[in-house]
Amino acid sequence: SYEVTQPPSVSVSPGQTASITCSGEKLGEKYVCWYQQKAGQSPVLVIYQDNKRPSGIPERFSGGNSGNTATLTISGTQSMDEADYYCQAWDNSLVIFGGGTKLTVL
Amino acid sequence: EEQLVESGGDLVQPGGSLRLSCAAAGFLSSTYDIHWVRQGAGQGLEWVSSIGIAGDTYYGASVKGRFTISREDAKNSVYLQVSGLRVGDTAVYYCTRAMDGVPFDLWGPGTLVTVSS
Repeated sequence: SYEVTQPPSVSVSPGQTASITCSGEKLGEKYVCWYQQKAGQSPVLVIYQDNKRPSGIPERFSGGNSGNTATLTISGTQSMDEADYYCQAWDNSLVIFGGGTKLTVL
Repeated sequence: EEQLVESGGDLVQPGGSLRLSCAAAGFLSSTYDIHWVRQGAGQGLEWVSSIGIAGDTYYGASVKGRFTISREDAKNSVYLQVSGLRVGDTAVYYCTRAMDGVPFDLWGPGTLVTVSS
C-alpha cells in the first residue's frame, strides 16, 4: 500500500520560513493537500491540489510538489502557526495521510 | 452556516458495536463524498471510510469487513456502523466532505469511541 512520510517535528523562529516535507514514491504525480491541526481542535485545510489556498487561509501558506516530495512552506511564521501539520494524498480511491509534523515556533 | 456534526460515540466493550452519525447542515450532503477519519489520543489522522455521491464505498485496510458506511440523503446524514470493535479502534471519529478536487474543507468536532473492558 502507498505511504507518505513526514518528519516528526520542525522548529522555526518567529518571522522565519518553515518548510515541512512529505515524501512518497512518485508523489509529484498525485495531488497533495495539507491540514493544520491545533491542540484540541479539528483539522483545517490549508493547501489543496498541491498549491491552492482555500478562502481565508493567509498568503504566507504555500505548497509545492515535484518528484517524490511535496513541501508546505510557511513564510514569516507566526506563533499562531504552531500546530500539527498533515499531508494527504490519494492512492486510487483510498486516502493516505502522513504521520504528521509538529511545528514549534520558538 | 455549513456544518458537520458527529454523534453516537460511547464506551463499548471489545467485540461490541455502535452506529456513528454525521449530520450535515447548511448544505446538501448528497452532493459531496463524505469521509470518516479517526484519531487516537496523541496519534495522527487515519482515514477510515468514504461514500461517494453514487453510493460507492471504500474502507481502510484496518476496518474493512468490520465497518459499514451508508448515507440517508433524506436526513442529510451519513452513518458509520462499527462492529467487532477492538481496543485499537479507540479514537475520536471525524466526518468530513470532499468534492471535485477540493477535499476535506469542512470537518465536524468529532465523536469519541472508547473500546475497553
